[in-house]
Amino acid sequence: DAGVIQSPRHEVTEMGQEVTLRCKPISGHDYLFWYRQTMMRGLELLIYFNNNVPIDDSGMPEDRFSAKMPNASFSTLKIQPSEPRDSAVYFCASSPRGGARNSPLHFGNGTRLTVT
Amino acid sequence: AQKITQTQPGMFVQEKEAVTLDCTYDTSDQSYGLFWYKQPSSGEMIFLIYQGSYDEQNATEGRYSLNFQKARKSANLVISASQLGDSAMYFCALRASSGAGSYQLTFGKGTKLSVIP
Repeated sequence: DAGVIQSPRHEVTEMGQEVTLRCKPISGHDYLFWYRQTMMRGLELLIYFNNNVPIDDSGMPEDRFSAKMPNASFSTLKIQPSEPRDSAVYFCASSPRGGARNSPLHFGNGTRLTVT
Repeated sequence: AQKITQTQPGMFVQEKEAVTLDCTYDTSDQSYGLFWYKQPSSGEMIFLIYQGSYDEQNATEGRYSLNFQKARKSANLVISASQLGDSAMYFCALRASSGAGSYQLTFGKGTKLSVIP
């Protein structure tokens, strides 16, 4: 069974450019999460979806960030325009429905974003 | 609001010895889950063990066990017989309702474990 798939693994871009990160959750998982990891702030939840619907986006830093989940097997996190302070590792994770409190999140390998 | 505290930024342990990584949490929810993840230098997040707030027994998973003390709101991870491959960052995480029916996972800052040969 394939795990959570993220692309690209690495992204280097210049300030002001648009960046799109992609995620394919595990088939059958109804929850999808986007996290950001930095040395200073650790792992922060940006947004999560349940059945393709955004439930909590309070962690999205500002209007430059947007996330979509057009169907159960695909999600994107977009940054436009990107800034150097957006440099981080972005993780996508999914978890199955039901018993939400005891369901572990399954993480992708992350996208390391560098904005110069 | 949920909060996870890991007070040990770094820990050292001799190979084959046991080590305890500390984790305390704060939540007003009565039903919640506590998770531990391992992040090796390669960067992936690996789920290790889970403890539910209503579980009467401490969780165990191979060499991993969880010392759960609900009244003290602590959920320490115990790794027995440490191996060189255990060297990694370890994160404690809490999954509870934030009041709006959401079940986000809140992470601590992590503990970097180094196993010495």
